[in-house]
Amino acid sequence: IHLTQSPSSLSASVGDRVTISCRASQGISNFLAWYQQKPGRAPKLLIYAASTLQSGVPSRFSGSGSGTDFTLTISSLQPEDFATYYCQQLSSYPFPTFGHGTRLEIK
Amino acid sequence: QVQLMQSGAEVKKPGSSVKVSCKASGGTFSTYAISWVRQAPGQGLEWMGGIIPVLGTPNYAQKFQGRVTITADESTSTAYMELSSLRSDDTAVYYCARAPSWGYDYWGQGTLITVSS
Repeated sequence: IHLTQSPSSLSASVGDRVTISCRASQGISNFLAWYQQKPGRAPKLLIYAASTLQSGVPSRFSGSGSGTDFTLTISSLQPEDFATYYCQQLSSYPFPTFGHGTRLEIK
Repeated sequence: QVQLMQSGAEVKKPGSSVKVSCKASGGTFSTYAISWVRQAPGQGLEWMGGIIPVLGTPNYAQKFQGRVTITADESTSTAYMELSSLRSDDTAVYYCARAPSWGYDYWGQGTLITVSS
């Protein structure tokens, strides 16, 4: 199962609302997770089951979608949110795939 | 709190093998899958394979079949990933992660493997 993330990079300002898309090559129900990765650090799980916020993740992060189209939304960007974001499908668990990432940069 | 502690960075020659360890603490080791994910410099995340320690049977990405061996030792709560026939394009940071079916919730700190002659 192939995942296509868009955009591949994005420039935004603190306080902006940002949306990142992830499209699966076939239906995956809600077996989708989102990760945040900062330079030199391991990825961090933000959202699982397409829309469930991982414990400790700020509520400005939200996820939606089902089937083939998914969205990660950050409602009001904070300075610490500038990072790279990856989606991951787990429909074919234990054989997952990752999207190619979306780099979120400061405008 | 679950922690995954990986072994240190290594420099290897082309054609050699490397074995990376991932020691778990603070949680139940045996019943959760441990997966290995690598990230080449400036690139994205690539799943290599995984294992559920209590079952002992690994799963591998087709790309790495025949070159990767993933094992787990329940007595020491440690998972291992061995990659053989190393090439320069195997230079990457290798991560272990606790991998339940809903998402990878805990990650090791990463191990940089550099393949260079």
